[in-house]
Amino acid sequence: EADIYQTPRYLVIGTGKKITLECSQTMGHDKMYWYQQDPGMELHLIHYSYGVNSTEKGDLSSESTVSRIRTEHFPLTLESARPSHTSQYLCASSDGDGRSNIQYFGAGTRLSVL
Amino acid sequence: GENVEQHPSTLSVQEGDSAVIKCTYSDSASNYFPWYKQELGKGPQLIIDIRSNVGEKKDQRIAVTLNKTAKHFSLHITETQPEDSAVYFCAASRGGNYQLIWGAGTKLIIKP
Repeated sequence: EADIYQTPRYLVIGTGKKITLECSQTMGHDKMYWYQQDPGMELHLIHYSYGVNSTEKGDLSSESTVSRIRTEHFPLTLESARPSHTSQYLCASSDGDGRSNIQYFGAGTRLSVL
Repeated sequence: GENVEQHPSTLSVQEGDSAVIKCTYSDSASNYFPWYKQELGKGPQLIIDIRSNVGEKKDQRIAVTLNKTAKHFSLHITETQPEDSAVYFCAASRGGNYQLIWGAGTKLIIKP
């Protein structure tokens, strides 16, 4: 059972608001990832981190930003939410020590911007 | 660029029958191929994976086969049950780093 948690599970917010989606893992994994997914559709990598103070943008351009100050915590922030940001956001982590590339996922945050 | 093609997008099978989902990858450096199952309202969960030095792997009713020459890999589910209904994703490692290249997903429907 993966120990990776995302909060909130659901968020409905108005245009222009600043939001932070939380992601925490207790497995001590170095690698963490944020994906954007329309329900049941393809996963798009928007940010990843290979360790503390290391963050990179993924394949899909996103107006969100991330930080990695602690190993276990990888929050995603939208400074000014827009309806186009409505989607599901999935956080994942992996140990990626060469033996395994298994990514463990949280349950996701479903964001609706009105 | 690198990509993973997954077929079919939707698969409907009778309970008890077998289901096969196929993926093709483009990155010759890919060496790790996981399959994930995503149930409604949940994040994807790994169900089986295979590395490039193995041609086939089986875990109870689930098996994965890999053809490196053709860059194909497939998921086989036998004796399907209602709880197998979900969206299944294949993925391939991106050569040289820890990222995964994802297929577009297959919605598997098990008819009673």
